[in-house]
Amino acid sequence: GESVGLHLPTLSVQEGDNSIINCAYSNSASDYFIWYKQESGKGPQFIIDIRSNMDKRQGQRVTVLLNKTVKHLSLQIAATQPGDSAVYFCAENAGGTSYGKLTFGQGTILTVHP
Amino acid sequence: DTEVTQTPKHLVMGMTNKKSLKCEQHMGHRAMYWYKQKAKKPPELMFVYSYEKLSINESVPSRFSPECPNSSLLNLHLHALQPEDSALYLCASSQVGLAGLENNEQFFGPGTRLTVL
Repeated sequence: GESVGLHLPTLSVQEGDNSIINCAYSNSASDYFIWYKQESGKGPQFIIDIRSNMDKRQGQRVTVLLNKTVKHLSLQIAATQPGDSAVYFCAENAGGTSYGKLTFGQGTILTVHP
Repeated sequence: DTEVTQTPKHLVMGMTNKKSLKCEQHMGHRAMYWYKQKAKKPPELMFVYSYEKLSINESVPSRFSPECPNSSLLNLHLHALQPEDSALYLCASSQVGLAGLENNEQFFGPGTRLTVL
């Protein structure tokens, strides 16, 4: 069945370090992936997305890598800042009759120490 | 306007009450969603509307009744809820592509924190 999970539930880094958050998925039909950031008391905020015909996509200070061979997704945050502290969710969509249906991973808590 | 707004922010209701959650967006999105999020858990999809028609119902109990009166508004009517329904209810919206919902970024509102006594 569909499942999206994370290797590490928590990640603590120092300000200025690079952060890497990982995500594993099991549905080989998944063709669209999103990373969301959720701060306490707020709704998820879009960070970056990637489609299955790509293996890398870069945004401002963030990079998403997709390895379809091992069904693995990662989010890299460069020069992590205290404001990056939040829960990070990966989400996937399998397309087809599941258009619009995002399945979220369990989340990783990122804590950035000044 | 790139915001999804939700009202109320907090809601406390008894098991016999009837209440409604409201969601609004003015981004021209024609797909709107309801999610439920329990503490320390990821959001779980409840309903999807596309062009004001219900397209996905994730086997949600009938005590939750969604409504999409127009392309900008989405309601969730609540009746006879249980304490285990207490959660953060999130609304989201997205564009609809030529082939259907496709894979488009979903914009989330801040949520309504619901407590059922």
